[in-house]
Amino acid sequence: GQNIDQPTEMTATEGAIVQINCTYQTSGFNGLFWYQQHAGEAPTFLSYNVLDGLEEKGRFSSFLSRSKGYSYLLLKELQMKDSASYLCASMDSNYQLIWGAGTKLIIKP
Amino acid sequence: GAVVSQHPSWVICKSGTSVKIECRSLDFQATTMFWYRQFPKQSLMLMATSNEGSKATYEQGVEKDKFLINHASLTLSTLTVTSAHPEDSSFYICSAREGGDTYEQYFGPGTRLTVT
Repeated sequence: GQNIDQPTEMTATEGAIVQINCTYQTSGFNGLFWYQQHAGEAPTFLSYNVLDGLEEKGRFSSFLSRSKGYSYLLLKELQMKDSASYLCASMDSNYQLIWGAGTKLIIKP
Repeated sequence: GAVVSQHPSWVICKSGTSVKIECRSLDFQATTMFWYRQFPKQSLMLMATSNEGSKATYEQGVEKDKFLINHASLTLSTLTVTSAHPEDSSFYICSAREGGDTYEQYFGPGTRLTVT
């Protein structure tokens, strides 16, 4: 079956670094997406990885290991506005996104 | 670029009535559009995938006669919730994909539907 696992909730301190992990099992693989979703709003695109390794984009970085079925999203210099849910999604062989349940990130001052 | 709009942003309707939600890609042509539903504190649930000019493909458990999807052009898809019931109250989000070598989905702002 197809499955995406990520922690339900994480808490971090403003200015710190947090890593949100995601493991996936999908029928075929065409890349791994991370989206940010603030409460009551639609998701916004953060990153897309299809090759192994780390992709850095400002304060956010995303890592992929295809052999391990594993990805993480790394957020640096956390700001209060980073409080949101972070959704991991794997694209399967039919180019459909299989979504994780999301990780709610709480930032404390 | 890559902006997707949705209308209305929120709607309240009475049980038994129908509601139409529009999804438009404003600055690109969307070969594929997706309709999702999201209940509070839950992840996105894909309802259906539609390609321009062809019938939508519905996910298992989604009633195609209740949730009518029309993807009439490369920039517009509509979702009509027919004979709405209170349990249909949810956050409905569309996304659009340009196609070709791009796989990123661009999301609309969502429509919050409340059925009374």
